[in-house]
Amino acid sequence: AQSVTQLDSQVPVFEEAPVELRCNYSSSVSVYLFWYVQYPNQGLQLLLKYLSGSTLVKGINGFEAEFNKSQTSFHLRKPSVHISDTAEYFCAVSFKAAGNKLTFGGGTRVLVKP
Amino acid sequence: DTEVTQTPKHLVMGMTNKKSLKCEQHMGHRAMYWYKQKAKKPPELMFVYSYEKLSINESVPSRFSPECPNSSLLNLHLHALQPEDSALYLCASSHIGGTSSYNEQFFGPGTRLTVL
Repeated sequence: AQSVTQLDSQVPVFEEAPVELRCNYSSSVSVYLFWYVQYPNQGLQLLLKYLSGSTLVKGINGFEAEFNKSQTSFHLRKPSVHISDTAEYFCAVSFKAAGNKLTFGGGTRVLVKP
Repeated sequence: DTEVTQTPKHLVMGMTNKKSLKCEQHMGHRAMYWYKQKAKKPPELMFVYSYEKLSINESVPSRFSPECPNSSLLNLHLHALQPEDSALYLCASSHIGGTSSYNEQFFGPGTRLTVL
């Protein structure tokens, strides 16, 4: 079975500190990988995506993620967070040959404290 | 225009009401999606339209009825809903490519539905 697991449901972090959100997936086929952010009472915004090529992917708002095929992981990082980064973050996977269908992880709530 | 719009932003309805959610995009996308998102949960796919035809129905109850009248519009008709149907309903759209490619989904802001 194909699945996506976000290992932390909530991550409190102080402003200007680094943060890492973990995402692991399970699949027997190749995948495309994504991180989305959802601010309170809003829709989903794409932060970054891995389709192919370099395993280090840079996204918007200073976020980056690294695809590790051997560990089936796609962890998201930011070296210094701001209060405005408080949001829900979703890792998502699209399994190749499954069309555009996205499978989401359970989400990680990031709470940035002053 | 790289935006997906949804109306209304909020909707409160009784269990006997009939209402509709509307989604619109002008990016030339030929795939459109409806998702349901409960509080503190990830979005769950409900329906996918490809070239204005229903291509995926994720075993959604018949009280939800989707409609794609043209390539820019997607509706979700609601009838006899239950309180547990209260959620954020998200629309998304994307291009359609080959099976070996991926086309990014662009999400709208959602309609927050409350069923009393």
